Amino acid sequence: DTEVTQTPKHLVMGMTNKKSLKCEQHMGHRAMYWYKQKAKKPPELMFVYSYEKLSINESVPSRFSPECPNSSLLNLHLHALQPEDSALYLCASSQAGQGTVLDSPLHFGNGTRLTVT
Amino acid sequence: GENVEQHPSTLSVQEGDSAVIKCTYSDSASNYFPWYKQELGKGPQLIIDIRSNVGEKKDQRIAVTLNKTAKHFSLHITETQPEDSAVYFCAASIQGGSYIPTFGRGTSLIVHP
Repeated sequence: DTEVTQTPKHLVMGMTNKKSLKCEQHMGHRAMYWYKQKAKKPPELMFVYSYEKLSINESVPSRFSPECPNSSLLNLHLHALQPEDSALYLCASSQAGQGTVLDSPLHFGNGTRLTVT
Repeated sequence: GENVEQHPSTLSVQEGDSAVIKCTYSDSASNYFPWYKQELGKGPQLIIDIRSNVGEKKDQRIAVTLNKTAKHFSLHITETQPEDSAVYFCAASIQGGSYIPTFGRGTSLIVHP
């Protein structure tokens, strides 16, 4: 089992709904990430939090809103999504952020499979 | 920015054969190269990694080689088993710098019993 826990595992939502994806890790990692993955494609970076501050936003539409309440939790708030936003949303964490010399692989959760109808 | 090319996109082998997946990178500053395995319905999981000051690393049936001069690195799986069937992603990053990994496009490995 992965050490990064994501809920829910599956989510179906309409284009007018508001929902949230949740991610939790207890490895003491200080960098947390949201990725979007379409079928047969590599993960695509959306957001990075480093020491609980948003450090990278890869020009993601504002209908996706990240939040990092504390060092263990990461949320992704969803509002007014489009059908093309249907994908696997992956959360990941790593030991350190920018400036560190540590080898710092990403630890992924198993994702939330999102379907927008 | 960094660009990582990965080949082949699909690899089909018989159980017991070896499998090799190759990646090339463009940024000579990249110094950390992890490999991830993604099984159906799961997130990618790290299986092996290598730093730029090392030429080869092995872990049981899995090995990774790195050629810094040519800017390419490869994953070798020996004595493949059906449970090795998955999508494999290579990645390159600059530890101590931007640190965000750039992923290859992935290789779907199918091991036939």
